Amino acid sequence: DIQMTQSPSSLSASVGDRVTITCRASQGISNDLSWLQQRPGKAPKSLIYAASRLQSGVPSKFSGSGSGTDFTLTISSLQPEDFATYYCLQYKSYPRTFGQGTKVEIK
Amino acid sequence: EVELVESGGGLVQPGGSLTLSCEVSGFTFSSYWMDWVRQVPGKGLEWVANIKQDGTEKYYVDSVKGRFIISRDNAKNSLYLQMNSLRAEDTAVYYCSRSLDVWGRGTLVTVSS
Repeated sequence: DIQMTQSPSSLSASVGDRVTITCRASQGISNDLSWLQQRPGKAPKSLIYAASRLQSGVPSKFSGSGSGTDFTLTISSLQPEDFATYYCLQYKSYPRTFGQGTKVEIK
Repeated sequence: EVELVESGGGLVQPGGSLTLSCEVSGFTFSSYWMDWVRQVPGKGLEWVANIKQDGTEKYYVDSVKGRFIISRDNAKNSLYLQMNSLRAEDTAVYYCSRSLDVWGRGTLVTVSS
């Protein structure tokens, strides 16, 4: 199985901050990676697919980059609605695997 | 509007069975792979299974192989997850997803005596 390791596990940030989350795959996955956001008590929401492509309707403050084993999610200017847990997901091979999540909290 | 609505969750005893359903609308169901993903409350996400558009290919995480069966009915725009020999560690919210890009709200399955 491909292991996905996110860092940090949690972070505290202020409104307006730029935030970067990283995800590392245990083997190369090309760009077969998504980023998801999960607000408390809600279902996950896909933000980015193919490592850097924004899902329809997702604001451009979210961006993704990377290929192979190392990936990043950047939120350019954190807003109150962005405080949530973020997951990376690889869909290169089976079983699909998620990172452990990064909880973004208000400082 | 794309919508996925899960149902069928509840309390079941260890060793018991339960079948989850996911009814979809707002897109051409027969054109998409469909997935089930679960989440223990307060924990991370775990992919469970998926099924090809015509049902000819199915994949499972090892922990549910031989116990869970994923299926679909394209005429009814519905996805199913038949869960047998349930264990306490299967307790989770189960999400239906369209190719992991659109998600339902989930249904809670609790396995307990």
